Amino acid sequence: SAVISQKPSRDICQRGTSLTIQCQVDSQVTMMFWYRQQPGQSLTLIATANQGSEATYESGFVIDKFPISRPNLTFSTLTVSNMSPEDSSIYLCSVTPSETQYFGPGTRLLVL
Amino acid sequence: DQQVKQNSPSLSVQEGRISILNCDYTNSMFDYFLWYKKYPAEGPTFLISISSIKDKNEDGRFTVFLNKSAKHLSLHIVPSQPGDSAVYFCAASGASGSRLTFGEGTQLTVNP
Repeated sequence: SAVISQKPSRDICQRGTSLTIQCQVDSQVTMMFWYRQQPGQSLTLIATANQGSEATYESGFVIDKFPISRPNLTFSTLTVSNMSPEDSSIYLCSVTPSETQYFGPGTRLLVL
Repeated sequence: DQQVKQNSPSLSVQEGRISILNCDYTNSMFDYFLWYKKYPAEGPTFLISISSIKDKNEDGRFTVFLNKSAKHLSLHIVPSQPGDSAVYFCAASGASGSRLTFGEGTQLTVNP
């Protein structure tokens, strides 16, 4: 398994601002994923972040809105840019140290 | 296009009885299936998985059944306990360790 931490755990932000979410893993992993869970909905993959390469974004998500950094094998950041109330969600990072994907505790974001 | 569907948004069972959560998928390329449990304000917790070469996997009180011809999987919890009350998500991927596609989730309530 893997121990994953995220910062911040929650935040309330004003529209038009940006927030950077950090994800730290206790072991080196090749692939890290960023998901979003909007209120009352399922988890949706935003992008896959591999160390040393550009993140791969899913349909409907773009780098300008959700820039991702992956400076090493244990850390990644996701920035939610120019936020609007529709960005209010739980943002989760996950890793696959083995066959199974493990999730961090999530960052609960409310945009006013 | 919802490739993974959980048609029951909620399920209520009595403590000690069996809980059966169902999941259907449409993408025949899915090769690996997982179940996660999620409490409010926490990230999803991995429960159990199954690869497409098997039709059953058991871990303690949890058993997952896979019917490839019907593109259907189910999670059995027996006996159910009040602490099992949570949202359960099924997820699928093209290979173990790769990106996941989630169902909408089923809220399980186990009554004492």
